[in-house]
Amino acid sequence: DGGITQSPKYLFRKEGQNVTLSCEQNLNHDAMYWYRQDPGQGLRLIYYSQIVNDFQKGDIAEGYSVSREKKESFPLTVTSAQKNPTAFYLCASSNGHLNTEAFFGQGTRLTVV
Amino acid sequence: AQRVTQPEKLLSVFKGAPVELKCNYSYSGSPELFWYVQYSRQRLQLLLRHISRESIKGFTADLNKGETSFHLKKPFAQEEDSAMYYCALSGDQAGTALIFGKGTTLSVSS
Repeated sequence: DGGITQSPKYLFRKEGQNVTLSCEQNLNHDAMYWYRQDPGQGLRLIYYSQIVNDFQKGDIAEGYSVSREKKESFPLTVTSAQKNPTAFYLCASSNGHLNTEAFFGQGTRLTVV
Repeated sequence: AQRVTQPEKLLSVFKGAPVELKCNYSYSGSPELFWYVQYSRQRLQLLLRHISRESIKGFTADLNKGETSFHLKKPFAQEEDSAMYYCALSGDQAGTALIFGKGTTLSVSS
């Protein structure tokens, strides 16, 4: 079954703890993205990566970190420095070309308790 | 800076009525524009892209560079069109990320 998979679907974290969200794709896509979706805010770009071992900050990168050691994987770590981490997180991938379609995962809902 | 503006949070129409979801953008170069849709309990997915000039599920969108707009239109709304719609923009160079608007919820009732 090809596609992009995020895990877990729901995640709870205590304040002050770091947590890592998983994103895996088997579409052989070069580009991968992390977005945060909040009510009334739309999708805001956190980080993106166009190629293995390279990534760029998006509009709201503060308090987050990523790695891209493998083409198929782009994990996102929400650190304790993120002031308001409770949100719905979406991962996406594309082949990185112009006008290309982005494919989205089903999302992870993170709640800080 | 790239920016996408969707001025309406919610658009409510009756079945069979025309629909227009507004999208304006800000970009210094030649943008690539898209509409994505998220149905209830489904993944966000591509609806259409301006370069294709296609009609998907009866929806069309025309890029108007003079007005920097990419409004989504459908002449006769159906109840199954009820969803969240996002307008998105990417730059004119490979490697630029997709930037989204805040989204518009379309509610079609009978």
